[in-house]
Amino acid sequence: GDSVTQMEGPVTLSEEAFLTINCTYTATGYPSLFWYVQYPGEGLQLLLKATKADDKGSNKGFEATYRKETTSFHLEKGSVQVSDSAVYFCALIASGGSYIPTFGRGTSLIVHP
Amino acid sequence: GEEVAQTPKHLVRGEGQKAKLYCAPIKGHSYVFWYQQVLKNEFKFLISFQNENVFDETGMPKERFSAKCLPNSPCSLEIQATKLEDSAVYFCASSLGDYNEQYFGPGTRLTVT
Repeated sequence: GDSVTQMEGPVTLSEEAFLTINCTYTATGYPSLFWYVQYPGEGLQLLLKATKADDKGSNKGFEATYRKETTSFHLEKGSVQVSDSAVYFCALIASGGSYIPTFGRGTSLIVHP
Repeated sequence: GEEVAQTPKHLVRGEGQKAKLYCAPIKGHSYVFWYQQVLKNEFKFLISFQNENVFDETGMPKERFSAKCLPNSPCSLEIQATKLEDSAVYFCASSLGDYNEQYFGPGTRLTVT
């Protein structure tokens, strides 16, 4: 079945550091890939998405590139802020398969001033 | 509206009492989904609707859980005779189509005492 694997957290960084959160996936066909963010006490917010190989999703300084050859969709940001502290979820929706997103287990990011 | 709205934000019920949660999807979205987040980072799919019709209820514990999406009314998720293990955050999401990205509401935190 479909699956999403994320690096375990928490990831702890100082403000202005470079962020990478790894995400790899297993899916049949060509899935659409997503990153969601959950701030404390809130719901999931769609951060960015990519629907085909080599697409780059970007939003609020975050970006991720759909790499079919490595089945990866790593999240990056050049300079994190304290306000980026949250839990980040990688997810996929498999084309031709279940339309219910398969979520990773989430990676907690803590950014210190 | 432009966001998925969920009410109430918090709900406390004694074991055996009924709980009812509400969700207003984004205007124009045809699909509504309900998820349960029990452990901190895991989402369990419960049920989905296409307009007012049940689309997929494979995740629903049918003995005590029921859900509706009626025209011109918020969707609802009802739990009869709540149990301690029903304590969780319940998220509603909506999307334009079944394979489109889902937009999540802020969640309802249900505490069963």
